[in-house]
Amino acid sequence: DADVTQTPRNRITKTGKRIMLECSQTKGHDRMYWYRQDPGLGLRLIYYSFDVKDINKGEISDGYSVSRQAQAKFSLSLESAIPNQTALYFCATSEGTGSHQPQHFGDGTRLSIL
Amino acid sequence: AQKVTQAQTEISVVEKEDVTLDCVYETRDTTYYLFWYKQPPSGELVFLIRRNSFDEQNEISGRYSWNFQKSTSSFNFTITASQVVDSAVYFCALIFSSNTGKLIFGQGTTLQVKP
Repeated sequence: DADVTQTPRNRITKTGKRIMLECSQTKGHDRMYWYRQDPGLGLRLIYYSFDVKDINKGEISDGYSVSRQAQAKFSLSLESAIPNQTALYFCATSEGTGSHQPQHFGDGTRLSIL
Repeated sequence: AQKVTQAQTEISVVEKEDVTLDCVYETRDTTYYLFWYKQPPSGELVFLIRRNSFDEQNEISGRYSWNFQKSTSSFNFTITASQVVDSAVYFCALIFSSNTGKLIFGQGTTLQVKP
């Protein structure tokens, strides 16, 4: 089983719909992250959480919200999806001992908004 | 500005050739960490290596080697005797010791290794 699991793996939906992407991990890591990947832009950070009571905005948080339901679960919501949110979304985790710890990524969720 | 630049968008080589992927970064911090990740066609991101700013020793792991030079703010990645399985997008990334959690990625370099 994967250490960082994202569901769904693929989703096609319509403009204006509310969407939730889920991430769960079995690594026991305190820190969790959501990124989006767009062609030619690399990955950009949406939100991150250092523990269950900690939520921080990343580089591109507008139009997104998150919930850290437990140490192992971190979900990303698009309240009213728009076409330019079509992208590949990644969840990642890292140990809580410092920023030097590598981030470990899930397999990604491919989201298409029509 | 804090930035990572991978100027090579795409590289194509023939199997068994050596190839170097360039990474140049900008930061005002004195303590930071650099990473390389691989994204094969299946889409997942695989961690390859981490290097901290106060350790300029080069590293070799099998056919992979990394050359970190603070003087030129570069952290280049060389694959020796490339193989078709090396075909992937490779990302260089940077994070600071200030613990913001923000991993800054370069745009990625797509490597195609032809048989």
